Amino acid sequence: GAGVSQTPSNKVTEKGKYVELRCDPISGHTALYWYRQSLGQGPEFLIYFQGTGAADDSGLPNDRFFAVRPEGSVSTLKIQRTERGDSAVYLCASSLRDDYGYTFGSGTRLTVV
Amino acid sequence: KQEVTQIPAALSVPEGENLVLNCSFTDSAIYNLQWFRQDPGKGLTSLLLIQSSQREQTSGRLNASLDKSSGRSTLYIAASQPGDSATYLCAVLETSGSRLTFGEGTQLTVNP
Repeated sequence: GAGVSQTPSNKVTEKGKYVELRCDPISGHTALYWYRQSLGQGPEFLIYFQGTGAADDSGLPNDRFFAVRPEGSVSTLKIQRTERGDSAVYLCASSLRDDYGYTFGSGTRLTVV
Repeated sequence: KQEVTQIPAALSVPEGENLVLNCSFTDSAIYNLQWFRQDPGKGLTSLLLIQSSQREQTSGRLNASLDKSSGRSTLYIAASQPGDSATYLCAVLETSGSRLTFGEGTQLTVNP
């Protein structure tokens, strides 16, 4: 596609529920990244995919967070047993290569109530 | 651990003024530095990308400079307009990994 697409744009869920956030990168971009942005702060790295594999998942805060990219294009960020502290904007970005400029999606605003 | 600092945190200027936003980083081992713009409730829009071997990049009224050895970058906006009002984020891509490290941003307001 023309840009990075993220769905849903907004998600409200109850504490303890499971959520999935989807990212559709720019066609042909092999590198895909997930970031999390809390109010008033810069985005923080979560995980980086090169193709289908997670090349760096050191930013995932705990084992409730997991991400997949089974066919090397669309990626899903999965959060189990959500907590109120997980509320943030989750941003996805893709890049032609890992030392190139990034293109970000519009993000998914997750609110855990 | 790489740390990125942006000064000032907020800036309010009258329309037409030239302005400079500052970014500093602690580890000079970087591939590139990127400036982004973020409008309220929106994602990030890339403005300028400077590779580590470059000193500056220009796009329209925007000019970004990079001094890798001193760990500094500036974003210069000429003849500011109300439409420039947004948060500006600086981010560095380190050679040791494939993650961007962001500053906390400068919130710019240009008053008509």
